[in-house]
Amino acid sequence: QQPVQSPQAVILREGEDAVINCSSSKALYSVHWYRQKHGEAPVFLMILLKGGEQKGHDKISASFNEKKQQSSLYLTASQLSYSGTYFCGTGLMNRDDKIIFGKGTRLHILP
Amino acid sequence: GAGVSQSPSNKVTEKGKDVELRCDPISGHTALYWYRQRLGQGLEFLIYFQGNSAPDKSGLPSDRFSAERTGESVSTLTIQRTQQEDSAVYLCASSPWIGGNQPQHFGDGTRLSIL
Repeated sequence: QQPVQSPQAVILREGEDAVINCSSSKALYSVHWYRQKHGEAPVFLMILLKGGEQKGHDKISASFNEKKQQSSLYLTASQLSYSGTYFCGTGLMNRDDKIIFGKGTRLHILP
Repeated sequence: GAGVSQSPSNKVTEKGKDVELRCDPISGHTALYWYRQRLGQGLEFLIYFQGNSAPDKSGLPSDRFSAERTGESVSTLTIQRTQQEDSAVYLCASSPWIGGNQPQHFGDGTRLSIL
């Protein structure tokens, strides 16, 4: 029931856009997104709940397609500070007590 | 405190020894989670607490792993008879209460190395 993230890794130049996908084989209640920089703790970005939400956070936004059991994280006009590993975490419809994290997507921004 | 605090930050021990890892959650947070992160890998769920109750221990890798929590504060993860495959960063997170709509706030982790 671990969500699948794609791509596994991406390299961009500063100012380019990126999309990170997260998909599940189970019906979802929520999708979480976190960013972890090397050697640091994961940091919460946003939560999306069922109902086809979209959210924005500066130039980072996300969508949640409940029917497709998928979420996408959009990073526009990427900055050097966006580098890190992005994890999605999914909360299941019938297990709304914990989230299961994907394996992560490593994002590296070049100047 | 202001954030989730974990101690020690680093622990090196010999194979076969027991270790205790401590997590002090954000004050008022009733939910507490433990994760294991192996080098370059994702976050592996171990156990969570709602108050001092642990409804889901399904992620504990073996009976060498145990955890407890006193009230709605400090939690301790204990690994007995450590093995080399236990080497990892152990992360603790807390949230106001249990639920998929609750953001999790992570501590900096304990880096455990088994020689």
